[in-house]
Amino acid sequence: NAGVMQNPRHLVRRRGQEARLRCSPMKGHSHVYWYRQLPEEGLKFMVYLQKENIIDESGMPKERFSAEFPKEGPSILRIQQVVRGDSAAYFCASSPPSSSRDTQYFGPGTRLTVL
Amino acid sequence: SQQGEEDPQALSIQEGENATMNCSYKTSINNLQWYRQNSGRGLVHLILIRSNEREKHSGRLRVTLDTSKKSSSLLITASRAADTASYFCATPPGGGNQFYFGTGTSLTVIP
Repeated sequence: NAGVMQNPRHLVRRRGQEARLRCSPMKGHSHVYWYRQLPEEGLKFMVYLQKENIIDESGMPKERFSAEFPKEGPSILRIQQVVRGDSAAYFCASSPPSSSRDTQYFGPGTRLTVL
Repeated sequence: SQQGEEDPQALSIQEGENATMNCSYKTSINNLQWYRQNSGRGLVHLILIRSNEREKHSGRLRVTLDTSKKSSSLLITASRAADTASYFCATPPGGGNQFYFGTGTSLTVIP
């Protein structure tokens, strides 16, 4: 059973370009979470999604950032018009569709570098 | 902030010694979890301790939880060079969606 998969693992973009980060949750998991980790810091929650629904986006910047989790395919975190401050590691986590979501399983992350 | 805070920020020990790191949090919790992150890698779940538990063991790991003090400790016994990593505590607020992570303790085990 494959774990949470993220791609690409490393992404380099120039200022003003768009970054698209993909996350495939573990098999059978229908809850996806995105976190951002700035250098030397802990993970900060961005958004929580279920299939075709954004449940909680309280940690997502209001502009330039969007996320989706379509019925088919991976979850996508999209950053438009990237700036240098967007350089960070972006982690996706998933949890099973149960009332108790005690544990989140993390992917290896995508490291975004904005030149 | 509702984040957990780890202490110390960095710890360097000799192989074979024990490593203890602490975590404090601010809100009431259902459970607290510890994760390890190797440099440049993702997070690996180590152990979960529930709010009604005081101590839990898993291999060389021992976790304690003191809900009255809102603190937890992670003890790694007989450390190995492979234990070198950053360790984070994470707390899911009751009924909430997100985990709150501290800034982590960077552990270096010298062979």
